[in-house]
Amino acid sequence: GAGVSQSPSNKVTEKGKDVELRCDPISGHTALYWYRQSLGQGLEFLIYFQGNSAPDKSGLPSDRFSAERTGGSVSTLTIQRTQQEDSAVYLCASSPHPSSYEQYFGPGTRLTVT
Amino acid sequence: AQSVTQLGSHVSVSEGALVLLRCNYSSSVPPYLFWYVQYPNQGLQLLLKYTSAATLVKGINGFEAEFKKSETSFHLTKPSAHMSDAAEYFCAVSEVWSSNTGKLIFGQGTTLQVKP
Repeated sequence: GAGVSQSPSNKVTEKGKDVELRCDPISGHTALYWYRQSLGQGLEFLIYFQGNSAPDKSGLPSDRFSAERTGGSVSTLTIQRTQQEDSAVYLCASSPHPSSYEQYFGPGTRLTVT
Repeated sequence: AQSVTQLGSHVSVSEGALVLLRCNYSSSVPPYLFWYVQYPNQGLQLLLKYTSAATLVKGINGFEAEFKKSETSFHLTKPSAHMSDAAEYFCAVSEVWSSNTGKLIFGQGTTLQVKP
C-alpha cells in the first residue's frame, strides 16, 4: 500500500517568506508526527496530532511555526517569516495509534532558506 | 526526561565484519526502544523495536539488538556487514508511558561505513 508522502520534496525560499509543507499519512493512521532533522540539532520532535487535535506542540521552536490537520488525514506545517536557521529536513510520520509503537516515516521535505 | 546517547558518530567496518552500534538511554520508566536506518535522501525505516517482551530483538536485514536494563543499553549488532548496510542509524526511545503520545526521542545518529 501507499506509504507516507510529503510535498514538496525540496523547497528553496528567501528569508522572510512563508512556506507550507504537506504530509499525507497512511490511510487510517490516527497519529501523525512532525520532526525536524538538522545538522546542528539532529532529529527533533515538533508536534503530535491525534485525529485533528494536537495535544502535544511542545517541540515547535517558535510561534512562527504552526501546523494543522484536517479530516484526520492531511497535515500542513507552516513556517512564517522564515529564517536561515529554519533550513532543515522536515519529516512526517504516521502511526495507527500512539501506543502501537511503530511510526512510518515519509521521505521528508528539504527546506533551504537563502 | 528521557534521552538517548549513541556512542560514535561514525563507525567504519570491513565487508563481512561484525557491526556494533552503541546506544544508551536514560529513562525513569520502562522504555520502548527503537533502531531506525536512514539511507541518503530517504526517510527513516524501522529496523527493530523493543517493547518489554523478549530482551533480544531481531529485526530486518539480519540486525538484532539486546535490551540490557542493568547497563541501560540497546546496542545494535549484525554478524556480517554488507555494502548495502552503509547508512545512518538512529536509536530512539518512546515516551509512550510518560506522555501517552508515542513521540520519539532520537540519539544523534551513527554513520556506518562499510569498506570492501
